[in-house]
Order: sequence, then C-alpha cells, then structure tokens
Amino acid sequence: EAEVAQSPRYKITEKSQAVAFWCDPISGHATLYWYRQILGQGPELLVQFQDESVVDDSQLPKDRFSAERLKGVDSTLKIQPAELGDSAMYLCASSLTGVGYNEQFFGPGTRLTVL
Amino acid sequence: AQSVTQLGSHVSVSEGALVLLRCNYSSSVPPYLFWYVQYPNQGLQLLLKYTTGATLVKGINGFEAEFKKSETSFHLTKPSAHMSDAAEYFCAVSKGGGSNYKLTFGKGTLLTVNP
Repeated sequence: EAEVAQSPRYKITEKSQAVAFWCDPISGHATLYWYRQILGQGPELLVQFQDESVVDDSQLPKDRFSAERLKGVDSTLKIQPAELGDSAMYLCASSLTGVGYNEQFFGPGTRLTVL
Repeated sequence: AQSVTQLGSHVSVSEGALVLLRCNYSSSVPPYLFWYVQYPNQGLQLLLKYTTGATLVKGINGFEAEFKKSETSFHLTKPSAHMSDAAEYFCAVSKGGGSNYKLTFGKGTLLTVNP
C-alpha cells in the first residue's frame, strides 16, 4: 500500500541551528501539506502546495521557516535558526486533486526536539 | 473562520464499555467533518468522514459518528471499547466544496481503555 514517507523520524538539535525535514508524498498526489503538531495540541497547517506552487502559507513563520517543492513531487521544510518553541511533531500529508473531496494521507511525522 | 472544540482532553473507559468522544464545530459554510486517530509517535489515520448525504457515518474499527447540524456536533461513538482503541482522537473540519480542503483540528482527546 502506498504511503507518505518522511525523514528523519526523530531530530534533536540545538537552538540557533538549522534543520530540514523531507517528505515524499504518495505517487500521483499533486497536493502536499505540512502540519506542525505541538505536544497536547491538534495539527496546524503550515503550508499547502499544489504541484510546485504554494497555495496557502498564511501560518508559516516566514522569518525562520521555508518550504519548497521544486519539481512538484517531494518537499523539504527548513527551519533556520531553530528556537526552543519549535519543538513539535512535523507532519506531512498528501492528497489527490480534483472535483470532490480528496482524502489527506499522513506520513509518520518527524519529531523535533530543540535544546 | 472555522473551529473545532473537543470536550474532554482525556476520556477513560473500561474494556467493553461505550466510547463517546464529543466534538462541536463552528463553520460559516456547510462543513466537511472528520475524525482521525493517532497512535504514539505515528501519523494520523482517518477513521471516518462526513461530506454530504447520510448524517450517520460509519468508519473503520467499529466507530461511527452522527452529524447534527442543529447542535453543530459530530460526536464519535463505539458500542464496545477494545484495548487496541487506546489512542488520541482528533476531530477536524474543512470547508465543503471547492478544491482547498484545509483541515482545522481540535486539540484532541486521549482515550484510555482499562482492562
């Protein structure tokens, strides 16, 4: 069964360092989402891509976060510099695009700890 | 703007007992509603969804939910809890129709099942 892949699964970094997360969506899924899930909270959308274009990045802290999906397939989310408050689970999801509802399929996530 | 309120951050039931997890939503347009389950250090798995049509929705693992527009609720139930149901459950809402199915999640309810 096709799955959304994410790496690394766990990342520990020090404050002010740069970190990057990678996501490979299910083949054929044109829409890709990055969510941040702080412990004890529900996921919050950071950025949504349609192919290589950003559809919604209204909640992305653009002073330190960046996301790209250069070829419209896999995607990278970067934080530079990392802050203590960035400790969270970062989830990637993908879906088909088109008329009607398309289910979002989630990857296993990357758990980030900033020391 | 849309929002979700999950009543009770922690619910504890005995094995074999009824499971009831409460979700109320706020939406200015007809909503699509979802329940997701998350096991420790894993991504989210869709349990069930309401888009249009029948208001009583059946999902995986014996769960079901009923969309009640007049009460703006979408509570999740299961007649008989199993130990394997212990997990965190998230209710989510998105705008119905269109092509942007951005999900807004509640804060989650942790379900504990006691033997």
